[in-house]
Amino acid sequence: GENVEQHPSTLSVQEGDSAVIKCTYSDSASNYFPWYKQELGKGPQLIIDIRSNVGEKKDQRIAVTLNKTAKHFSLHITETQPEDSAVYFCAARGGADGLTFGKGTHLIIQP
Amino acid sequence: KAGVTQTPRYLIKTRGQQVTLSCSPISGHRSVSWYQQTPGQGLQFLFEYFSETQRNKGNFPGRFSGRQFSNSRSEMNVSTLELGDSALYLCASSLAQRGAGEQYFGPGTRLTVT
Repeated sequence: GENVEQHPSTLSVQEGDSAVIKCTYSDSASNYFPWYKQELGKGPQLIIDIRSNVGEKKDQRIAVTLNKTAKHFSLHITETQPEDSAVYFCAARGGADGLTFGKGTHLIIQP
Repeated sequence: KAGVTQTPRYLIKTRGQQVTLSCSPISGHRSVSWYQQTPGQGLQFLFEYFSETQRNKGNFPGRFSGRQFSNSRSEMNVSTLELGDSALYLCASSLAQRGAGEQYFGPGTRLTVT
């Protein structure tokens, strides 16, 4: 089955700086890669996603890149703000399975 | 449009008991997936239902089961509860089956087994 590795597990950045979270996947058949943000006491919230026929996607301060050859994808957050503090999960899906998630990155925005 | 709702939000059960959790998907969504979230194992896929049929299943014992009704609402059941079943159980709904659409999560049901 699919295996998703996510790094780093904790990321601390100064407010206004950029944050990058990286994930690798193992199944070359995976074709859908969403990113979720989870705040304390809430369910994961879909923030951006990318499909395997696209290399990059951007939505305001958030962007995701995908390198199918290397089987890795990354989340980029620019101009970070205090409300960006949360746990971020990457995931991959292909074929008949549900989403396979990474272990999560705790993003801390320092004032 | 209302989001995914899950009931109850919190539940405390004793080992050996059984529990039923409920999920109402976003209006118009026909696919419901269930996930278990624990600090040690993270988010793990349990199963997916589409049009009242289980379409695929994760690597969980048979004590975990579910069903979907004609209005797309879904329930999951865990029988003979074990301490290790303590977790946040999340439901996600999607417009279409499997890889065809985005999944939107509910707030989860926090199950504590004592």
